[in-house]
Amino acid sequence: EIVLTQSPGTLSLSPGERATLSCRASQTVASNFLAWYRQKPGQAPRLLIYGASTRATGIPDRFSGSGSGTDFTLTISRLEPEDFAVYYCQHLGSSRWTFGQGTTVDIK
Amino acid sequence: QVTLRESGPALVKPTQTLTLTCTFSGFSLSTGGTSVSWIRQPPGKALEWLARIDWEGDKYYSTSLETRLTISKDTSKNQVVLTMTNMDPVDTATFYCARMLWSSGWTGFDYWGPGALVTVTS
Repeated sequence: EIVLTQSPGTLSLSPGERATLSCRASQTVASNFLAWYRQKPGQAPRLLIYGASTRATGIPDRFSGSGSGTDFTLTISRLEPEDFAVYYCQHLGSSRWTFGQGTTVDIK
Repeated sequence: QVTLRESGPALVKPTQTLTLTCTFSGFSLSTGGTSVSWIRQPPGKALEWLARIDWEGDKYYSTSLETRLTISKDTSKNQVVLTMTNMDPVDTATFYCARMLWSSGWTGFDYWGPGALVTVTS
């Protein structure tokens, strides 16, 4: 089972700044089967990116995903107020689907 | 439109079995490339994927919890049921069900239920 490690644990930034979040897998992620989610307090997560780099329906282009193999990145080009939240990566394997432990983006 | 909603007891006693139902609309679990999963989130902690059932009836479970979990579907009722045995206070969490589709690869959980908080207490 692939283990996902997200870093940093917390990222303190200001609105308008760029955020770079990392997700490292314990084994190679086949075919870039990796997704990213944003979760605001009290809400269910929302899908941002799948296939490592494909934006989900309705997701603005300030969100971008990159990476392959074991190292993946979510970049938010300019933080909006609604982007201060917790972000999770997820491995979409052939059988089991694991989440990382999350990165909190909070207001500096 | 696609909706999912979790239902079940809000309180469970230690050692009891939890049964949760996910009732959905706007899609069919008999359509090829469709899967429904259960995910849980203890208060203030990370998401944990628990189990999934696919359109053909294939089932997969979290390695750490598979001895306690059973997932099933009733396609005619548009429902997916999760049972978790031997509940413990550490199992207190919000439980979500969510849908995923296959399109040249799994495409992430695009729709989620609002979640159901289950508290385990004597």
